[in-house]
Amino acid sequence: DIVMTQSPDSLAVSLGERAAINCKSSQSVLDSSKNKNCLAWYQQKPGQPPKLVMYWASSRESGVPDRFSGSGSGTDFTLTISSLQAEDVAVYYCQQYYNTPLTFGGGTKVEIK
Amino acid sequence: QVQLVESGGGVVQSGGSLRLSCVASGFTFSSYGMHWVRLAPGKGLEWVAFRRYDASNEYYADSVKGRFTISRDNSKDTLYLQMNSLRPEDTGVYYCAKDHFGAGSGSYLEYWGQGTLVTVSS
Repeated sequence: DIVMTQSPDSLAVSLGERAAINCKSSQSVLDSSKNKNCLAWYQQKPGQPPKLVMYWASSRESGVPDRFSGSGSGTDFTLTISSLQAEDVAVYYCQQYYNTPLTFGGGTKVEIK
Repeated sequence: QVQLVESGGGVVQSGGSLRLSCVASGFTFSSYGMHWVRLAPGKGLEWVAFRRYDASNEYYADSVKGRFTISRDNSKDTLYLQMNSLRPEDTGVYYCAKDHFGAGSGSYLEYWGQGTLVTVSS
């Protein structure tokens, strides 16, 4: 199974400042046939279901603000919020879909400092 | 708009069974793969199972293999999860989710339901 490791576990950032969440996979999730990384990011707010934020590592889901961006390739990925807003407080998860079983990272809780 | 509505959760004793349902609307259910994912108290998301658009293949997490069965009725736009031999560690909120694709073995999860709570008591 591919193990997904997120860091940090939690992050407190001032409003308007940058937040960066890291995700590392135990093996490459690059699909060479597509030249795309099989990596997605989700946002989960308290009491709500997860919401897709990013897929193919750097493609923003429709309706997601452009302050969210994804980067990385192979085994190392980052979700960046360029200017943190109050509504961005949530737990963020990465997920690989390179192979089965699909696996998630442990989550990173983002709070306001 | 896409809607996924889960039901069937509840409190059950260890060793018992439950059947979860997820009714889909707002998209052509028979064209997309579907997942079950759970969130245990104080823990992170755990993928549970996936069924292809035409029910031809199914995939499971090792933690539920042999105990849980994912099925779908495309004529009713409904996804199911039959859970047998339940354990306390199966406690959590169970979400159904729509895959981006129809076939394959699962990809990213575009839409999620609100979830249904399963509590397994010892």
